[in-house]
Order: sequence, then C-alpha cells, then structure tokens
Amino acid sequence: EAGVTQFPSHSVIEKGQTVTLRCDPISGHDNLYWYRRVMGKEIKFLLHFVKESKQDESGMPNNRFLAERTGGTYSTLKVQPAELEDSGVYFCASSQTDAEAFFGQGTRLTVV
Amino acid sequence: QQQVKQSPQSLIVQKGGISIINCAYENTAFDYFPWYQQFPGKGPALLIAIRPDVSEKKEGRFTISFNKSAKQFSLHIMDSQPGDSATYFCAAIVETSGSRLTFGEGTQLTVNP
Repeated sequence: EAGVTQFPSHSVIEKGQTVTLRCDPISGHDNLYWYRRVMGKEIKFLLHFVKESKQDESGMPNNRFLAERTGGTYSTLKVQPAELEDSGVYFCASSQTDAEAFFGQGTRLTVV
Repeated sequence: QQQVKQSPQSLIVQKGGISIINCAYENTAFDYFPWYQQFPGKGPALLIAIRPDVSEKKEGRFTISFNKSAKQFSLHIMDSQPGDSATYFCAAIVETSGSRLTFGEGTQLTVNP
C-alpha cells in the first residue's frame, strides 16, 4: 500500500513568487493534515481536512496560505506571495478516524 | 506559547548506552502522548505512545516514562544502536479535539559505533 506522498521534495523560489505543494494521502483516509517545521523548531499544525471540508485551520499563519482538498482526495497548499519566513519543511499526514496519523516525507521550501 | 517543551536539542550516545529524551507539557487536557522517529529524508513515524493512566510503557528497547503530576514524560532507548540515530519528537494530543498533534522541538540523536 502506498504511503503519503508529497510533491515536490524540494522547492527553491524567490520572495514574492507563488508555490503550490501537493499531498496525496493514503487511499481511504478521510483525515488530512498539514504541518510545518521551521528552522529546527517544533513541527507546527497548520490545518486539518475531513474529506473535502476544513475541520480546523487555526494554524494557518496568514491569508497568503491557501489549502484545498478537491473531492476529498489529494490536497494542495499554495503560498502566494511567498516570504522569507515561509521557508521550512511542510509535512502532510493522513489518518482514518481516530487512528494513527501517517506522515509524508515532506517538502523542503526555501524562499530566497 | 509552546505547549510541549523537549530537551535536549541534541544528544550523542555511545553504542550500547542509554538515550534519554525529556518532554514537559502545559495543557492538562492532553490525553495521548506519542513519540515520533524521523530519519533524514523521511517523514516522522510513530514509534511508541502512552496514555496518562499508566506510568510506563515498554516496547522492545524503547520505554516511555510518564509523570502525570509533574506533567512530564520521557523516552528511554536502551542498548542504543547506530541505527537509532534519528530525530525524535515528542507530541501530545487531545484525542477528542480532532487529532491535532502538538509537537516538541525535536532531539537529534547520534549513536556512535
């Protein structure tokens, strides 16, 4: 069974550009989460989807971040326009209801 | 405000030694405490977890010790091996709130041969 996959693995963009990260959860997992780890700090929650609905988006830093999950399958996280402080590793995780969350390998975003 | 504090930031242990990583939490509503292990280029993976109704949980060489009154918990890795070299994250969650994990800052463990 395929795990959680994220694309791209790495992205280097200039300040002011737009970047879109993609996450493909494990098939059948209704719960999808986005997290971010900045500069060796803790992994911080961004938002939680249940199927296609945003259950909790309290961790989203500001309105430059937009997450979608069309049809309750894959999810995208768009940063527009990117700022230097957005650099970090973005993790996606998925789970069945009340079960262990499985993480993807992450996307390392560098904004220069 | 960081709700889960983890120490040390980095740890170097000789093969066969004991690795100890400590975490402290603030929110008494947390009711599930997992530890995650992350190898370079991979995502965090669940290693072992505990609920606050027990003081210790052991799985192989990995043990969680939990002190509810002190709001602290720790991971002990016995007979540490070079293959245990990874980043370890403690976490906490209020399971009824929708499974949102609150992580510590991570500990970079290096086990020397």
